[in-house]
Amino acid sequence: QQQVKQSPQSLIVQKGGISIINCAYENTAFDYFPWYQQFPGKGPALLIAIRPDVSEKKEGRFTISFNKSAKQFSLHIMDSQPGDSATYFCAASATNAGKSTFGDGTTLTVKP
Amino acid sequence: DAMVIQNPRYQVTQFGKPVTLSCSQTLNHNVMYWYQQKSSQAPKLLFHYYDKDFNNEADTPDNFQSRRPNTSFCFLDIRSPGLGDAAMYLCATSTGGRGADTQYFGPGTRLTVL
Repeated sequence: QQQVKQSPQSLIVQKGGISIINCAYENTAFDYFPWYQQFPGKGPALLIAIRPDVSEKKEGRFTISFNKSAKQFSLHIMDSQPGDSATYFCAASATNAGKSTFGDGTTLTVKP
Repeated sequence: DAMVIQNPRYQVTQFGKPVTLSCSQTLNHNVMYWYQQKSSQAPKLLFHYYDKDFNNEADTPDNFQSRRPNTSFCFLDIRSPGLGDAAMYLCATSTGGRGADTQYFGPGTRLTVL
């Protein structure tokens, strides 16, 4: 049973455009929702994260939108740049669970 | 800089020949994780330690074992690697929030099985 569903699987965006990646979860006990960015041959690295007490969090060009009632959250990358081309994973975890559940990943390609 | 270090970065082994991957951390985090990641897939959790408390995922093959001799080090042992075990192996750490916090990943070890 996949507890975090991520879409789309791949995304191509023109430079300067907006990239949007969506995730949906099932477990209402989840209380931490990070997004990780992974470049080829590297380990994932935290990009931005949100807890369910807020509906939106913005850090530079990256924004997480969170909809608790719909059990959905999304990553928005404004003014997308070729350097943003990477694989993005959403994740979710619950306090005292000891581990995170990852989405399947989205490969983003930003064309110059 | 505090970090997660994995050695070696690339490991080639023969079918059935035991191999050990190592991970060390300078973050002083309580939790250490081992993930397997195959091409174009999400990381798959194999097991994790909360301090010395070992937690094995139900679907982790018996072929995989782990040791954490102290806070800083964690090892992944693959007793009899098969062709299907070729993958990137990622080590990660987190603080004592038992999962509800950020994971810090190492650069990974790329395992090739001949």
